Amino acid sequence: SYELTQPPSVSVSPGQTARITCSADALPKQYAYWFQQKPGQAPVLVIYKDSERPSGIPERFSGSSSGTTVTLTISGVQAEDEADYYCQSADSSDSYVVFGGGTKLTVL
Amino acid sequence: QVQLQESGPGLVKPSQTLSLTCTVSGGSISSGHFYWSWIRQPPGKGLEWIGYIYYSGSTYYNPSLKSRVTISVDTSKNQFSLRLSSVTAADTAVYYCARGSSSSLFDYWGQGTLVTVSS
Repeated sequence: SYELTQPPSVSVSPGQTARITCSADALPKQYAYWFQQKPGQAPVLVIYKDSERPSGIPERFSGSSSGTTVTLTISGVQAEDEADYYCQSADSSDSYVVFGGGTKLTVL
Repeated sequence: QVQLQESGPGLVKPSQTLSLTCTVSGGSISSGHFYWSWIRQPPGKGLEWIGYIYYSGSTYYNPSLKSRVTISVDTSKNQFSLRLSSVTAADTAVYYCARGSSSSLFDYWGQGTLVTVSS
């Protein structure tokens, strides 16, 4: 089966920059998406098609892609950004939709 | 703005069929080129895609669940449904429905509903 690999946890202090990576072989050919999930809530789309930001998502959220790795960057992290973050993509044949294992962002 | 709401039994016995419905409001389920999806999340774990149905009626399922899953649409009720057969304790999870568009497969989500498989 196809897998997306994320670090289990990332910690940053308020105001600093958080970077969460997601790696997989098909990422050069497939778009990646990022979701934020706070405890007890449904996920929220924060980045689509590698680097596009939906309306209503703060500008401090950005996405980038390089080879087999995509990165979610949160600039000037705020306490409210503490959450689990999941990347999502598909395999090279577009037949299998997959989520990464999730990264817990802790704001120190 | 579109809203989605899951409904169905919170407790299902092992070997039985789990059935959930997602009611869509704020737009017609049959208008637009949308995807209608189900995703689940076991307690304390990550997200797992179950499958989706496209506006055309085509369905796509997670290969690991394909033999047990059916997703269908009822346009008269503006709802879509999930049926998962032969459930076991491993199917215990919060089940989410979601709408997708050309931007993302999952741009709007329901609040989720917990389904426990237990005798």
